[in-house]
Amino acid sequence: SAVISQKPSRDICQRGTSLTIQCQVDSQVTMMFWYRQQPGQSLTLIATANQGSEATYESGFVIDKFPISRPNLTFSTLTVSNMSPEDSSIYLCSVVGTGTTDTQYFGPGTRLTVL
Amino acid sequence: QKEVEQNSGPLSVPEGAIASLNCTYSDRVSQSFFWYRQYSGKSPELIMSIYSNGDKEDGRFTAQLNKASQYVSLLIRDSQPSDSATYLCAVTVQGNTPLVFGKGTRLSVIA
Repeated sequence: SAVISQKPSRDICQRGTSLTIQCQVDSQVTMMFWYRQQPGQSLTLIATANQGSEATYESGFVIDKFPISRPNLTFSTLTVSNMSPEDSSIYLCSVVGTGTTDTQYFGPGTRLTVL
Repeated sequence: QKEVEQNSGPLSVPEGAIASLNCTYSDRVSQSFFWYRQYSGKSPELIMSIYSNGDKEDGRFTAQLNKASQYVSLLIRDSQPSDSATYLCAVTVQGNTPLVFGKGTRLSVIA
């Protein structure tokens, strides 16, 4: 499976600011996704990061709040904009490798706390 | 709307016993089924995938799939305290589409 890293691993931010989370994979992957896991909850898909085009957002998530970039097949960023305490969550990227059809692997996550 | 249902638990089993975790899904065209284990504060770790009706065994883990009943289960034999975690059932319709997760079942193995 691909080795996935995320930066930062955790951060504490002030209300109204923005944070960009990076996801780096050690090999080219076909699909990259961003998930959110709120405290005590399961995973919720934010969007599919599309290489070279705009991300595909799930219901309830919008580009202005969660802009996503994917400039190539190994890297993506998620920005959490104009943060509020309700954005405090773990943010996870996941990938589907080029050698597999649908198995998704997760990065270590970014734990975000908004004060 | 696609849904994946799991009993949230906690499910408590004694060390050495069989833990049985269950999952149902709503979308009949689902094709791929996964079990992830998530320790507190960590990201989900894939432990099993299953695509065809029947059983699939990997070490102490057995996944069972019944598409007619839209039911997936995970059996953990000889449960160990290190198996204590939240187990997430995930389903996808086809390759390269995002997973739909259940809320997870918290398993506690008592020594």
